[in-house]
Amino acid sequence: SAVISQKPSRDICQRGTSLTIQCQVDSQVTMMFWYRQQPGQSLTLIATANQGSEATYESGFVIDKFPISRPNLTFSTLTVSNMSPEDSSIYLCSVQEIADTQYFGPGTRLTVL
Amino acid sequence: RKEVEQDPGPFNVPEGATVAFNCTYSNSASQSFFWYRQDCRKEPKLLMSVYSSGNEDGRFTAQLNRASQYISLLIRDSKLSDSATYLCVVNMEGTALIFGKGTTLSVSS
Repeated sequence: SAVISQKPSRDICQRGTSLTIQCQVDSQVTMMFWYRQQPGQSLTLIATANQGSEATYESGFVIDKFPISRPNLTFSTLTVSNMSPEDSSIYLCSVQEIADTQYFGPGTRLTVL
Repeated sequence: RKEVEQDPGPFNVPEGATVAFNCTYSNSASQSFFWYRQDCRKEPKLLMSVYSSGNEDGRFTAQLNRASQYISLLIRDSKLSDSATYLCVVNMEGTALIFGKGTTLSVSS
């Protein structure tokens, strides 16, 4: 399976600021996704990161709050904008391989004060 | 109705026990099915895919019942290292994964 890294691994941010999370894959992949996992909850899909076009957002998530870039087939970024304490969560990127299997990066643990 | 439902547990079992987790899904168009394992403060990791005919990987057996929209995971001879949260996951072709909230297993000596 692909090897996925994320930066930063964790951060503590002030309310009203923005944080950009990077996801790097060691091979070219077509499908990349961004998920959020709030404390005690399961994973919720934020958006599909499309290479060369705008990301596809799930209900409840908007581009102004979570802008996503996908400049090539190995890299994507997710920005959490104008943060509030409710944005405290783990943010994970994933890639899809054969037979719809997905593999996840190690996650970015975000705390907003 | 939630799309993927699981008994949250926790399931507390002794080493060597056999334990079964169940999961139901609401969308009959779902095509792919998986069990993921998530350790505390770690990312989910694929445990196994679930096939219509049922499949086994060592001590782990997964079953799928499309008519009842039901998935199961059986763990035999539980080890301490099996302690984790087990996530039932489904998707339809071309869409992202839909996760259940997970079932927590604690294996004790």
